[in-house]
Amino acid sequence: DTGVSQDPRHKITKRGQNVTFRCDPISEHNRLYWYRQTLGQGPEFLTYFQNEAQLEKSRLLSDRFSAERPKGSFSTLEIQRTEQGDSAMYLCASRPTGLPEAFFGQGTRLTVV
Amino acid sequence: AQTVTQSQPEMSVQEAETVTLSCTYDTSESDYYLFWYKQPPSRQMILVIRQEAYKQQNATENRFSVNFQKAAKSFSLKISDSQLGDAAMYFCAYRQTRDDKIIFGKGTRLHILP
Repeated sequence: DTGVSQDPRHKITKRGQNVTFRCDPISEHNRLYWYRQTLGQGPEFLTYFQNEAQLEKSRLLSDRFSAERPKGSFSTLEIQRTEQGDSAMYLCASRPTGLPEAFFGQGTRLTVV
Repeated sequence: AQTVTQSQPEMSVQEAETVTLSCTYDTSESDYYLFWYKQPPSRQMILVIRQEAYKQQNATENRFSVNFQKAAKSFSLKISDSQLGDAAMYFCAYRQTRDDKIIFGKGTRLHILP
């Protein structure tokens, strides 16, 4: 499978715990995006990277959220001190230079109880 | 700020019939891309069709075509000969050429009636 891969697919955590999600983009895609999608809504932009540089962060990304892409390949999204409002699907996408559209992974569904 | 609006939360169409999903967007830019993405239940989002704003000709991909009205900032998706596999959420999306961020509408859930 050479598509965008996300791990885990599902995560249930207790409120106040920290969680980390991983995204492996398509090989040689230099742009990587994180989106959040709640039930019945469209994806909301969180942040994106060009190679290892984080170029933009949404105001949705509170101080409890941090994303990294240390070597310009895979990326991690960490949520500290999770809250029930963090329950959502977290989508990762990647895009190569020269193509306008992004390719999405299957997402990580987070449930905070 | 750019926004994408999909005014139809749900639509239904009989199998083999044609359906049109609506999308409007707001931007002051002249150079951008528009997309329709499909998200089947519990499956990943995939690109259906793409339109470059500088192109006057409407994009077509097999049974899928768009009606791009740049002055009206309208970008509708027409699905011909609807099939059961077309049942999904459809998202209209926008990206400025000089920006990387893709902005999505809230989606339209399409039901196909056998």
